[in-house]
Amino acid sequence: ELKVEQNPLFLSMQEGKNYTIYCNYSTTSDRLYWYRQDPGKSLESLFVLLSNGAVKQEGRLMASLDTKARLSTLHITAAVHDLSATYFCAVTNTGNQFYFGTGTSLTVIP
Amino acid sequence: DVKVTQSSRYLVKRTGEKVFLECVQDMDHENMFWYRQDPGLGLRLIYFSYDVKMKEKGDIPEGYSVSREKKERFSLILESASTNQTSMYLCASSPPHEGYTFGSGTRLTVV
Repeated sequence: ELKVEQNPLFLSMQEGKNYTIYCNYSTTSDRLYWYRQDPGKSLESLFVLLSNGAVKQEGRLMASLDTKARLSTLHITAAVHDLSATYFCAVTNTGNQFYFGTGTSLTVIP
Repeated sequence: DVKVTQSSRYLVKRTGEKVFLECVQDMDHENMFWYRQDPGLGLRLIYFSYDVKMKEKGDIPEGYSVSREKKERFSLILESASTNQTSMYLCASSPPHEGYTFGSGTRLTVV
């Protein structure tokens, strides 16, 4: 079974600061997704990373993938309160079934 | 945009009741999934389906069953609800080898 670990599980950061969330997975995967979940809401797709070295950016979030290290990072630049949410990474090895990390709960403090 | 619709946002049921959670998607996706989400445990896969009348067990199928009689609809059934099935239930759909689109979730409380 493919295992996915995220860290940290909880992250409290001040507005304006930078931070990185890490996602490690246990076996070869052909794609990696990042999702965002607001409290009480469902998951919303942020990024899909399809190949080694892939980098995607939207606003203050940038995701990257290193398939050799089986590692993806989600970098937050100059955090703002609106980024407070839980972030999940998910990987798939067959292309159909996803395995999710446990999530990182991010709180941005003014 | 793909829409995945879960019929109820909040449900309260009694122990022992049979509970139906409905999920409908409108983009002709082959794949559909049911997850439950609990604090500290992340998302756990209950059942999934890659085609009509097809179903596969996920990681935690005990106490649940599913039905997929039509391509657009994937139902999760709690045969006899128990308090440990109180959770947030998320339905998702996808084309083959593509990312998931999630429904808005059903928060089920079993009392």
